[in-house]
Amino acid sequence: DGGITQSPKYLFRKEGQNVTLSCEQNLNHDAMYWYRQDPGQGLRLIYYSQIVNDFQKGDIAEGYSVSREKKESFPLTVTSAQKNPTAFYLCASRTSGAADTQYFGPGTRLTVL
Amino acid sequence: DAKTTQPPSMDCAEGRAANLPCNHSTISGNEYVYWYRQIHSQGPQYIIHGLKNNETNEMASLIITEDRKSSTLILPHATLRDTAVYYCIVRAGGTSYGKLTFGQGTILTVHP
Repeated sequence: DGGITQSPKYLFRKEGQNVTLSCEQNLNHDAMYWYRQDPGQGLRLIYYSQIVNDFQKGDIAEGYSVSREKKESFPLTVTSAQKNPTAFYLCASRTSGAADTQYFGPGTRLTVL
Repeated sequence: DAKTTQPPSMDCAEGRAANLPCNHSTISGNEYVYWYRQIHSQGPQYIIHGLKNNETNEMASLIITEDRKSSTLILPHATLRDTAVYYCIVRAGGTSYGKLTFGQGTILTVHP
């Protein structure tokens, strides 16, 4: 897990509600990522940010939003527009350099009731 | 990123070395080999990476063939806690995008 924390570990939400997942890192990394993982599947990229106050859509950004106001923090909001939000959400940050490496947080499991 | 091929599953006895192979025959000169693992219901854990030389750290060793078309991750003394899905990823380092693409990986089961 390195220096990446995600909270909460488990989250339950009613349909139609927005919910925000927290991701904090103390690794001084510029780049941060949000992935989604469904049972038995690989990771899919939702959003990424290479620097403070900048972020880009990944492969499945619809129904999600992010902000990057501080280097340490990259919260993800799952909006009511996300049709199938129940999943395991993973945050990562990345070192810079030729052999850059991503480190992941412990994940948040979101269940929509 | 180059495509990788891994066996779907492997078994290993506790205390023995676990040798996990990965084929990446289309690897380019600037692409690194990365290994991650994911224990059930946890985030992926970085293990090791290399370009062309063999690498060793406190978790594992990475052996890359001279032609770089395949590699082997070695866990020298496997424990029950090493049971996980192991992913071999090949990608160019230092790219601005940096997305990681995980394949199906190898399910390693360490048994007593």
